[in-house]
Amino acid sequence: EPEVTQTPSHQVTQMGQEVILRCVPISNHLYFYWYRQILGQKVEFLVSFYNNEISEKSEIFDDQFSVERPDGSNFTLKIRSTKLEDSAMYFCASSQGPQYFGPGTRLTVL
Amino acid sequence: AQSVTQLDSQVPVFEEAPVELRCNYSSSVSVYLFWYVQYPNQGLQLLLKYLSGSTLVESINGFEAEFNKSQTSFHLRKPSVHISDTAEYFCAVSNFGNEKLTFGTGTRLTIIP
Repeated sequence: EPEVTQTPSHQVTQMGQEVILRCVPISNHLYFYWYRQILGQKVEFLVSFYNNEISEKSEIFDDQFSVERPDGSNFTLKIRSTKLEDSAMYFCASSQGPQYFGPGTRLTVL
Repeated sequence: AQSVTQLDSQVPVFEEAPVELRCNYSSSVSVYLFWYVQYPNQGLQLLLKYLSGSTLVESINGFEAEFNKSQTSFHLRKPSVHISDTAEYFCAVSNFGNEKLTFGTGTRLTIIP
């Protein structure tokens, strides 16, 4: 069964550094998403992406965040200058109907 | 704006006993409803969904949920739980297909042997 994959599974970085989280959506899906889950809190929507552009973004998704689909398979989330409060589990999802989630990347900012 | 309320943060249940995990939502328009399950140290897995049609939807592992429009609820039930059902369960809502999901805070289901 096709699935969404994410790399790395765990990323540790220093505050102020840039990180790129990678996702490979299910191949025939056209809609892509990023969510995050801060430890002990609920899953929050960050951004949705369709037809090579952002279709919706939350207030969390400020100028330090960006998304890209650099080729036909990858979907990336870049955080330009990480802050301590960016520490969270980041989930990628794709859909052609219901959304299917990847296993997540745990980002730890020190 | 839409929101999802899961009033029970933790639910302990004896093995083979029934369970109900509550979910209420608010939205000004028609919604699609979902339950996702997160097993320990894993990602979110789609458990079941309500898009239209029959208000009772079932999963392959014995869970079911009923959409109740008048009570704006989508409670998840299972008549007999197993140890393997230990997980966190998230209710989610979206306004239209392919739009963002709004999640509840989750309910941690703990099965007592």
